[in-house]
Amino acid sequence: GQQVMQIPQYQHVQEGEDFTTYCNSSTTLSNIQWYKQRPGGHPVFLIQLVKSGEVKKQKRLTFQFGEAKKNSSLHITATQTTDVGTYFCAGQGGGTSYGKLTFGQGTILTVHP
Amino acid sequence: DAGVTQSPTHLIKTRGQHVTLRCSPISGHKSVSWYQQVLGQGPQFIFQYYEKEERGRGNFPDRFSARQFPNYSSELNVNALLLGDSALYLCASSLGPGEYQPQHFGDGTRLSIL
Repeated sequence: GQQVMQIPQYQHVQEGEDFTTYCNSSTTLSNIQWYKQRPGGHPVFLIQLVKSGEVKKQKRLTFQFGEAKKNSSLHITATQTTDVGTYFCAGQGGGTSYGKLTFGQGTILTVHP
Repeated sequence: DAGVTQSPTHLIKTRGQHVTLRCSPISGHKSVSWYQQVLGQGPQFIFQYYEKEERGRGNFPDRFSARQFPNYSSELNVNALLLGDSALYLCASSLGPGEYQPQHFGDGTRLSIL
């Protein structure tokens, strides 16, 4: 079945440093979604990427979808303490008629002030 | 507008018991999905329901079942509970059942099996 791997598992940064998490799927995806989960909270939808090579920006966050639609990355510029949480990528694919998301293991981001 | 609501928030059961978890989707959303999130892992897909019909099932045993009601709310049932069923159970709603639909998650039910 479809597997989604995400690295690194943990990332500790000083406030103001950049952060990147990478996601790789075993199969070609129709789209990839990114979610953020604060400690004790639930996953919150950040963005969806659909097109090959797509790049989207949300303020300090930059999301990329690979040309082969099998990998993706999230880059945060100049991290802030409010960026703390676990970032998950979640892929959809296989031509199914339903919206199963296959999540990566997540990257836990800690930001030291 | 209210988001996805789940009940109860916490639950403690013993092995062999049965549990029912409930979910109300965002108003206007007709699809509900259930996920299991074990500590330190990403959510794992259990079921998706749309218009009261099961549209997708993940790799979970038959002890797990679900249903959706005419008002689009949903229940997840787990029979013969095992220690390994301890997890956060998340419900997510979306406008429709297919791909390209962002999922809106509830706060989850934290289930502990003793």
